[in-house]
Amino acid sequence: NAGVTQTPKFQVLKTGQSMTLQCAQDMNHNSMYWYRQDPGMGLRLIYYSASEGTTDKGEVPNGYNVSRLNKREFSLRLESAAPSQTSVYFCASIPSGGYNEQFFGPGTRLTVL
Amino acid sequence: RKEVEQDPGPFNVPEGATVAFNCTYSNSASQSFFWYRQDCRKEPKLLMSVYSSGNEDGRFTAQLNRASQYISLLIRDSKLSDSATYLCVVKGGEAGSYQLTFGKGTKLSVIP
Repeated sequence: NAGVTQTPKFQVLKTGQSMTLQCAQDMNHNSMYWYRQDPGMGLRLIYYSASEGTTDKGEVPNGYNVSRLNKREFSLRLESAAPSQTSVYFCASIPSGGYNEQFFGPGTRLTVL
Repeated sequence: RKEVEQDPGPFNVPEGATVAFNCTYSNSASQSFFWYRQDCRKEPKLLMSVYSSGNEDGRFTAQLNRASQYISLLIRDSKLSDSATYLCVVKGGEAGSYQLTFGKGTKLSVIP
C-alpha cells in the first residue's frame, strides 16, 4: 500500500499560470480532501469529496477547482495562480464512519511568483 | 469565536518532563475528536483518537470534556522525539459530518 500519494512534490509558478495537483489513494477510501497550510493559519479545507461523483466547497475554495476522477483520484486545479496561493497543499482521505483516521499525502510545496 | 482553539506555544520542556496541551471547540454538536502530530515539513499523522471516557496510549493520555467542550493531551516522561507540533482536530459539528476542523497547533520542543 502506497497510502496517499501526491504529485508534484514541489512547484514554482508565475502569476497567471495554471496547474493541476494530483492525488491518489489505494486504500479504497470513500472521502477525499484538499487542504492548504500556511504559517500561523493551520490547515484549511479547500474542497472535499464525500464519495465518488460528489464534491463540495470547504472553507477557502476561491481560485480552485477539483475533480473526483474516480474513487482513487482527486485532483486540484489552479486556473490562474496568484501569489496568495503560495502554500503547502495536502491531500487526505478517510473511510466513512465515526472514529476514523484521516490519512495525509506528503504534500506539495507551491510557490507562485 | 474560532471553531477549534489551541495555545500555540511554543512549549519548551526538559526531557522527562510532563506536559499538557489544551484545546477548546465551539460547537457542541461535534462528533469525533483527535490529536494529530506534525513534524517539521511533514504531513500530519494521527497520534490518537479521543474518547468520551478518556484513553491512554503509552505515555500519552487524552481526555474529553463534552460539557466544557474541552480536549486535553498529556505527555509523560517527554522524549526528544516528541518534539513536534500537536494538532487538535474535531470532526462534524458546524463544518458538517464529513469535514474535520484543525486547530492551529501547539509546538513542543523537548530539550536535552
